Amino acid sequence: ETGVTQTPRHLVMGMTNKKSLKCEQHLGHNAMYWYKQSAKKPLELMFVYSLEERVENNSVPSRFSPECPNSSHLFLHLHTLQPEDSALYLCASSRNPMGEKLFFGSGTQLSVL
Amino acid sequence: GQQVMQIPQYQHVQEGEDFTTYCNSSTTLSNIQWYKQRPGGHPVFLIQLVKSGEVKKQKRLTFQFGEAKKNSSLHITATQTTDVGTYFCASGTASKLTFGTGTRLQVTL
Repeated sequence: ETGVTQTPRHLVMGMTNKKSLKCEQHLGHNAMYWYKQSAKKPLELMFVYSLEERVENNSVPSRFSPECPNSSHLFLHLHTLQPEDSALYLCASSRNPMGEKLFFGSGTQLSVL
Repeated sequence: GQQVMQIPQYQHVQEGEDFTTYCNSSTTLSNIQWYKQRPGGHPVFLIQLVKSGEVKKQKRLTFQFGEAKKNSSLHITATQTTDVGTYFCASGTASKLTFGTGTRLQVTL
């Protein structure tokens, strides 16, 4: 248990579906992140939030839409995804954006058909 | 951002053998972090090194940061089946962390 909870653990969706991934951290951290992990690629940082404000958006397609209603919760809204978007999506948090280590959630394994 | 290359991509050892993974950069790194991801799991932070030539140990794991701060290594002595997983190096601050591609370690009896 890392203190970062992600749901769902697995998700299968069609290209026309809309779904959302949820992340909650119980660590009192001020920064939260979405990462994408694909086979044989480095972990890719998608979005960074600090105190509910987005501070980084690493050229992620608009079909991925993040939302951070408060410092403990982070969502990733998905719509009209492509098969190449199939991957493990990991949420992480840190004490602050300049902090040292990341605490990762268990991830959502997404398959886009 | 800081780019890091990691080798090897994969290593298969017999239990009791040693294992080393290397992380290299063409530029000076501010720090180096190591994470472990078990099969089907998520990355878990192991350690951070910040000083030139720094060496840290955690039981059978030895972490080194090069004198020029351009490379790092993780060495496992006498591997066990519990060491199976992918080991990632990373560099930067939390909001700008660059990860290596990872080294997948397989340990068989």
